[in-house]
Amino acid sequence: AQSVTQLDSHVSVSEGTPVLLRCNYSSSYSPSLFWYVQHPNKGLQLLLKYTSAATLVKGINGFEAEFKKSETSFHLTKPSAHMSDAAEYFCVVSDHNYGQNFVFGPGTRLSVLP
Amino acid sequence: NAGVTQTPKFQVLKTGQSMTLQCAQDMNHEYMSWYRQDPGMGLRLIHYSVGAGITDQGEVPNGYNVSRSTTEDFPLRLLSAAPSQTSVYFCASSYSKGRNTIYFGEGSWLTVV
Repeated sequence: AQSVTQLDSHVSVSEGTPVLLRCNYSSSYSPSLFWYVQHPNKGLQLLLKYTSAATLVKGINGFEAEFKKSETSFHLTKPSAHMSDAAEYFCVVSDHNYGQNFVFGPGTRLSVLP
Repeated sequence: NAGVTQTPKFQVLKTGQSMTLQCAQDMNHEYMSWYRQDPGMGLRLIHYSVGAGITDQGEVPNGYNVSRSTTEDFPLRLLSAAPSQTSVYFCASSYSKGRNTIYFGEGSWLTVV
């Protein structure tokens, strides 16, 4: 069965400093992996996705993530945080061997301090 | 582009009442699903459908009912609302199995008193 672990429930950074949100997954096959962002009282927006092509994936708003199969990780990074990045971030795994169900991590709340 | 449309956005129900959350998508996606979001628990799958006439249960199906009579629509029914169903509900859709992105509606905030 698939599962997702987001190692930090809350991350706080200063504006202009790097962001690292950690995600580890469990999947018995070659997974698809996604990061979604949710701003307060809003829906979920796709940041980026990995679907077995390049292991370094670039997304919107300067975010990127690297798929590391040996570490079963898909950490999200951004070189320089902006106030508008404050939101909840969800790592998601989908394993087509288990159908089209997507399994969500519990989320990481990112705070950006001025 | 409309994408995935959910209604209503906000609803307050009394315990024991029933209601239907509407969801429609205009992307011709085979796969549709309903999730509920609770603090610290991410999104949990309630029910899903892989095509018209086909539905199945997810992780937390109790107290909810779905049907899929058309490709576009996937309503979620609360049969007899309970305070434990106070949550934010998201409808989502995607193309069929495989490495496809899932698209979400804006969410429905439901409070059961």
